[in-house]
Amino acid sequence: ETGVTQTPRHLVMGMTNKKSLKCEQHLGHNAMYWYKQSAKKPLELMFVYNFKEQTENNSVPSRFSPECPNSSHLFLHLHTLQPEDSALYLCASSQEQGAAGEQFFGPGTRLTVL
Amino acid sequence: AQSVAQPEDQVNVAEGNPLTVKCTYSVSGNPYLFWYVQYPNRGLQFLLKYITGDNLVKGSYGFEAEFNKSQTSFHLKKPSALVSDSALYFCAVRDGGDTDKLIFGTGTRLQVFP
Repeated sequence: ETGVTQTPRHLVMGMTNKKSLKCEQHLGHNAMYWYKQSAKKPLELMFVYNFKEQTENNSVPSRFSPECPNSSHLFLHLHTLQPEDSALYLCASSQEQGAAGEQFFGPGTRLTVL
Repeated sequence: AQSVAQPEDQVNVAEGNPLTVKCTYSVSGNPYLFWYVQYPNRGLQFLLKYITGDNLVKGSYGFEAEFNKSQTSFHLKKPSALVSDSALYFCAVRDGGDTDKLIFGTGTRLQVFP
């Protein structure tokens, strides 16, 4: 297992619910990422934080709201989601954005929106 | 614009035979190239990367990849496949110049048969 953990691993929610995904990295990295992985589609980068500052929002709908209180923790707050938002949500970290290093991924949260 | 293509949705190979998973890329600057593997219900695991230097890169679990600038390819190879290599493989590229967004391919499912 990598040094990136995600909770919960599975989440089922209704369209009117509010929930949050949590990511924690124990690698001393300064950049953190949220990706969406849907079947038969490339990984979609959603958000990037570098030294706690959001540096990338890849045209993500406002029903997804990220939060990065410190370099080790990243949250994705969810509200009024749609069934098409059902996917595997992956968190990743790297030493810092823009460096040549690889990204380390967590196991993901499998989200199902009913 | 950056892009990466994995032309095969699935690759089937018998255990003990060599395997190749193909990847081609397009970037405007110098490419940073990565291979990741994803096992069922897991996040992506880093296998290897090319930044600069020798065109043949060796990585985890006996995998290697060859950077070919003229063909803009970065194929993943292994001399002798194992059943445990069966997984989903992703190629990714980042432009080492102005942007640091990592772009992933759609993935290739490798099935190794006993």
